Amino acid sequence: AQKVTQAQTEISVVEKEDVTLDCVYETRDTTYYLFWYKQPPSGELVFLIRRNSFDEQNEISGRYSWNFQKSTSSFNFTITASQVVDSAVYFCALSAPLQSNDYKLSFGAGTTVTVRA
Amino acid sequence: GAGVSQSPSNKVTEKGKDVELRCDPISGHTALYWYRQSLGQGLEFLIYFQGNSAPDKSGLPSDRFSAERTGGSVSTLTIQRTQQEDSAVYLCASSQWGQDEQYFGPGTRLTVT
Repeated sequence: AQKVTQAQTEISVVEKEDVTLDCVYETRDTTYYLFWYKQPPSGELVFLIRRNSFDEQNEISGRYSWNFQKSTSSFNFTITASQVVDSAVYFCALSAPLQSNDYKLSFGAGTTVTVRA
Repeated sequence: GAGVSQSPSNKVTEKGKDVELRCDPISGHTALYWYRQSLGQGLEFLIYFQGNSAPDKSGLPSDRFSAERTGGSVSTLTIQRTQQEDSAVYLCASSQWGQDEQYFGPGTRLTVT
């Protein structure tokens, strides 16, 4: 069974602060994919990133960066110099299509980020 | 470059009625997924279609829920004899193939009174 845990329910920061969202996952599969999605107040889930389990390189995209550590089963997400437009619910998700043909996404409960001006 | 579209955006129905929710995936995407987002349960997988293969129905919560995908494109999720606990946002997603990132539609907010 797969499980994704986002322990932080809500995070509130002032603009320009950095914010890190934690994601811890459980899976019996040795190959899997990890994802982050953003859900702004408009409601539509927006894809941010996908990582393969065999690629542990950290990734940076603009103000976003991701730290994948297989040893601790974590895939954390950092927003640097946050902006009001970053206010949203962020979901971490897991799928394991390569090994178990499990294409569905197992989502964490989400972390609500509020960035105050 | 249209994204995933869903209709209706909002649906209010009386308990016991049947409802149909529609999803139009991104053109060329072979995989289509339905999820449900509710306050108590978070984001839950419902069903997955991949090409002409038999769908993965493992997430459907009861036999009142069914879905079909005609011609490998548009999908309809049907809920029969709706119950108040069916109230949720129903999200559709598509991907180029099963291993690719999924792109989500805006959802249908279903309210059962």
